Amino acid sequence: GAGVSQSPSNKVTEKGKDVELRCDPISGHTALYWYRQSLGQGLEFLIYFQGNSAPDKSGLPSDRFSAERTGGSVSTLTIQRTQQEDSAVYLCASSLGVSQGGYGYTFGSGTRLTVV
Amino acid sequence: GESVGLHLPTLSVQEGDNSIINCAYSNSASDYFIWYKQESGKGPQFIIDIRSNMDKRQGQRVTVLLNKTVKHLSLQIAATQPGDSAVYFCAENMATSGTYKYIFGTGTRLKVLA
Repeated sequence: GAGVSQSPSNKVTEKGKDVELRCDPISGHTALYWYRQSLGQGLEFLIYFQGNSAPDKSGLPSDRFSAERTGGSVSTLTIQRTQQEDSAVYLCASSLGVSQGGYGYTFGSGTRLTVV
Repeated sequence: GESVGLHLPTLSVQEGDNSIINCAYSNSASDYFIWYKQESGKGPQFIIDIRSNMDKRQGQRVTVLLNKTVKHLSLQIAATQPGDSAVYFCAENMATSGTYKYIFGTGTRLKVLA
């Protein structure tokens, strides 16, 4: 597509439930990133995919968080047993890979997750 | 739209005046920096970038200044307009080999007064 698409745009879930957030990056972008943005905070890095390389998971806050990227395109961020502190806007971004000279990201509009 | 953050530092500027937004970055080894603009309910948008071998770069109505000695970035917006109202983030690349994993600042909210 023309931009990075995220779904759903809003998600309200009960504490303890699992949620899946989806990101559809720009076609041809080999790098994909997930960030989390809490109220009053900057963007917190979660995970980074680059082509077929092993993902950089160094930002995932706990083992309840996982992400996969199928076929080098669409990515799903899964949060298991959600907690209230997981409430935030989850932003996905994509870019051309480093070897392609990609530098800046294109962000999606985010998924606002509210855990009640 | 959604509020990006309720407790961000805020800069209020009269329409038509110049704005200066400041950012301190964390890693002296960072070699690439970007300023992003985030409007309410939207993802951040790229404004301007600068490499560490430069100390100034100009775009359309925007200028970024880099002071590596004190690890400081600033974004100058000339003739600020109502459409410039947003939260502005600086981002640094941690110079990790082969990746562009950025570290973002907390952000500054710019309010343009009519």
